[in-house]
Amino acid sequence: GEDVEQSLFLSVREGDSSVINCTYTDSSSTYLYWYKQEPGAGLQLLTYIFSNMDMKQDQRLTVLLNKKDKHLSLRIADTQTGDSAIYFCAVGQGRGSTLGRLYFGRGTQLTVWP
Amino acid sequence: EAQVTQNPRYLITVTGKKLTVTCSQNMNHEYMSWYRQDPGLGLRQIYYSMNVEVTDKGDVPEGYKVSRKEKRNFPLILESPSPNQTSLYFCASSRIGEPQHFGDGTRLSIL
Repeated sequence: GEDVEQSLFLSVREGDSSVINCTYTDSSSTYLYWYKQEPGAGLQLLTYIFSNMDMKQDQRLTVLLNKKDKHLSLRIADTQTGDSAIYFCAVGQGRGSTLGRLYFGRGTQLTVWP
Repeated sequence: EAQVTQNPRYLITVTGKKLTVTCSQNMNHEYMSWYRQDPGLGLRQIYYSMNVEVTDKGDVPEGYKVSRKEKRNFPLILESPSPNQTSLYFCASSRIGEPQHFGDGTRLSIL
């Protein structure tokens, strides 16, 4: 399988940028996702990137992928208190015996202070 | 509205009493999956299905069964639940190779 690692906690002040990091082990990973989970809720897809991309920007969100280091990051610009949630990195392969499987990190709890 | 629907949302039951958590999706997705979420462990995959009548074990399949008789439904069956299966369960679906859509979760407590 795949090992996906994230730091467990991140605290930032409102208005600052947040950067959540993720590392993975399988270099054949094709799909890399960021999900957000608010308290008592399910997982909401935030953004995703394919392995043939280095960067993707979507409004306040920027995803950077360093394939050589197997490192993925999510940057949230102008972080708001409503961004407080758990953020999960998830990695999947597009072929072979693990086609369709998704491997999750343990989640990063982002706390935004006013 | 495109959605993944799980039932029940909450259940408290006792050890050994068979239970089924249903999952249904209305997006004609081939792929469906069950995960459990435990504090500090993230999401771990229990079973998944690439299409009707095709199911495979994930990382933590022990104590669970699934079936995929129809494309839209993927029930999770606990034949003899035990306290270590107390958890938050999520069903998800997608087209193969696309992001997974998640249900709202089912919180199970096994006493």
